[in-house]
Amino acid sequence: AQSVTQLGSHVSVSEGALVLLRCNYSSSVPPYLFWYVQYPNQGLQLLLKYTTGATLVKGINGFEAEFKKSETSFHLTKPSAHMSDAAEYFCADSGNTPLVFGKGTRLSVIA
Amino acid sequence: EAQVTQNPRYLITVTGKKLTVTCSQNMNHEYMSWYRQDPGLGLRQIYYSMNVEVTDKGDVPEGYKVSRKEKRNFPLILESPSPNQTSLYFCASSLMASGELFFGEGSRLTVL
Repeated sequence: AQSVTQLGSHVSVSEGALVLLRCNYSSSVPPYLFWYVQYPNQGLQLLLKYTTGATLVKGINGFEAEFKKSETSFHLTKPSAHMSDAAEYFCADSGNTPLVFGKGTRLSVIA
Repeated sequence: EAQVTQNPRYLITVTGKKLTVTCSQNMNHEYMSWYRQDPGLGLRQIYYSMNVEVTDKGDVPEGYKVSRKEKRNFPLILESPSPNQTSLYFCASSLMASGELFFGEGSRLTVL
C-alpha cells in the first residue's frame, strides 16, 4: 500500500539555522507530492507542491523541496529558521488517489 | 473568499448522542474528504467523496456516516458517538482527488 514516511516526529532548530524535514514516499506511479503546514489551532495550508517538471520546488515563506526519484524523497528545507516557522509539517502523496499523509513533524525554533 | 467552513468548531457531547458536523465549500470543488487528527497518528482519512452522490470509505470509517447530496456540502454524522471518537476533525476539498486540498479550520470533538 502507498505510504509516506516522515523521519522524526519532532525537530528542534535554533533561530537562523537550516531547517531540514525529511519525507520519503512509496508510490510506484509518478507521485504528486505536497508539503502542508499547520499552525497551532488552525487547519492545514499548502506550503508547496510537486506535480511534474522542475524537481526543485519553491513554496511560501522561503521553504523549498527537492523531488529525488532515485531516493523516493521530497525533503523540505529552509536556509534560515524564523520563530514564526514553529508549526507541524505534513508531507503527502497523491500518486494513487486519494491523498496519503505522513504522520507529521513538529518543528520547534529556539531563540 | 474561497473557504471550507466547518461547524461546530468545538463540541462536548456524551456517549450515544447523535451529532452532525457540517462542512461546506464555496469553490465548486468535486472532491471532498473528512480526516481525523490524533497525537502521534497524523491525519487519517475517514470518508471521501469524488462527486455528488459518490462516497467511499477511507482508512477509519467505523462509527461514521457521510452524505453528499449537494456539491458544496459534505456532513459527517456520528450516529452513536463513543469516547474513542474524541478527536480533531478536518474537512477538506479540492478540484480533483489528486490536487491541492483546501482545509477547514477543524472541529474539536470531545465525547464523554
